[in-house]
Amino acid sequence: EVQVLESGGGLVQPGGSLRLSCAASGLTFSTYGMSWVRQAPGKGLEWVFSISGSGGSTHYADSVKGRFTISRDNSKKSLYLQMNSLRVEDTALYYCAKDGDLGPGEYWGQGTLVTVSS
Amino acid sequence: EIVMTQSPATLSVSPGERATLSCRASQSVSSNLAWFQHKPGQAPRLLISGASTRATGIPARFSGSGSGTDFTLTINSLQSEDFAVYYCQQYNNWPRTFGQGTKVEIK
Repeated sequence: EVQVLESGGGLVQPGGSLRLSCAASGLTFSTYGMSWVRQAPGKGLEWVFSISGSGGSTHYADSVKGRFTISRDNSKKSLYLQMNSLRVEDTALYYCAKDGDLGPGEYWGQGTLVTVSS
Repeated sequence: EIVMTQSPATLSVSPGERATLSCRASQSVSSNLAWFQHKPGQAPRLLISGASTRATGIPARFSGSGSGTDFTLTINSLQSEDFAVYYCQQYNNWPRTFGQGTKVEIK
């Protein structure tokens, strides 16, 4: 059974940091790209960051440039998102998603909630 | 950045009827377009990749069409479990952008 499980969310003050983790099981991990997608309260889905299967290539949304970094550990089938200099507008449910053979989003986790507030 | 525009924002449909959702890209994305279904409290679910290829386990009543800049998701004979928000996403260029979503609600 395929499982994708995010963790690490919580309440943080503006300017603070959080590290999100995503653990995958039951699937081939190392050969597929992975992404973080977020959904702010009452809003739609927003793509945030992607990383290739090897980890050698990354792409990010302008809204997180210079503040967030993505990484992965294929030996642990895990994906990470380091979030620094957090802003109120980063408040969202953060989803981890695995690419498939034909495109993105083949498997998703249930999300982890990040709340940035003073 | 490629802007994805979905229409309508909300679609009211009776069970058993057909729903037609539109997604337009600000420039060509070839066939590199996916459709997702999203229900409150659940993970998004991949429906269609490559503009027209159904994902594993997706019922045949879901179909996608289009290429270039104009795409359509058709849901035939809507079932109760199909009422949700639907998003298109292009993956032809970085950043991978989503449309703003179409909410399919019960009429």
